[in-house]
Amino acid sequence: GESVGLHLPTLSVQEGDNSIINCAYSNSASDYFIWYKQESGKGPQFIIDIRSNMDKRQGQRVTVLLNKTVKHLSLQIAATQPGDSAVYFCAERSPYNNNDMRFGAGTRLTVKP
Amino acid sequence: DSGVTQTPKHLITATGQRVTLRCSPRSGDLSVYWYQQSLDQGLQFLIQYYNGEERAKGNILERFSAQQFPDLHSELNLSSLELGDSALYFCASSDKPYNEQFFGPGTRLTVL
Repeated sequence: GESVGLHLPTLSVQEGDNSIINCAYSNSASDYFIWYKQESGKGPQFIIDIRSNMDKRQGQRVTVLLNKTVKHLSLQIAATQPGDSAVYFCAERSPYNNNDMRFGAGTRLTVKP
Repeated sequence: DSGVTQTPKHLITATGQRVTLRCSPRSGDLSVYWYQQSLDQGLQFLIQYYNGEERAKGNILERFSAQQFPDLHSELNLSSLELGDSALYFCASSDKPYNEQFFGPGTRLTVL
């Protein structure tokens, strides 16, 4: 069936380095994507979104890239800080899902000092 | 603070019991979603309501049920609890069913 998934369940980076978190989606009709961050003991929190008519969107220290050809979404975090340690989820909206958002499994990012 | 509130924050109960989790959406949001998150797992979508009506169902067990009331708050009822039901239960809300969801702080359920 259609699904949203992540390439790696865990990612460990050095403080100050850039982080890249990947997400694969299989539903070519998906038109909207969101990255969420979930810190330990808290609910997921919106980071950045992108619509399918865009390839790239930048926020504060974060960039989301969308490659519709290979159905791949990535989240880049610049100058990763200890406070970035969390689980990151991608979510997609698709008409196959009744236009509802569906979440991937999540990647745990650990930032080493 | 997302504006979504959930009570209680923690709940400890025994197998076979029944519990009710409560969620108040952000002001103005008509859609409410319930998710289950087990240890080190992703978010498992359970059920969605929009303006009082059930809109979508995910991996929700028959022992679980939910409803959304006229004031738009929602309750998730879990019955005949099993050890495996121990998890974080999140509620989220959005203004429309297909827009960004705002998550509450969650209810941690422990079944002993």
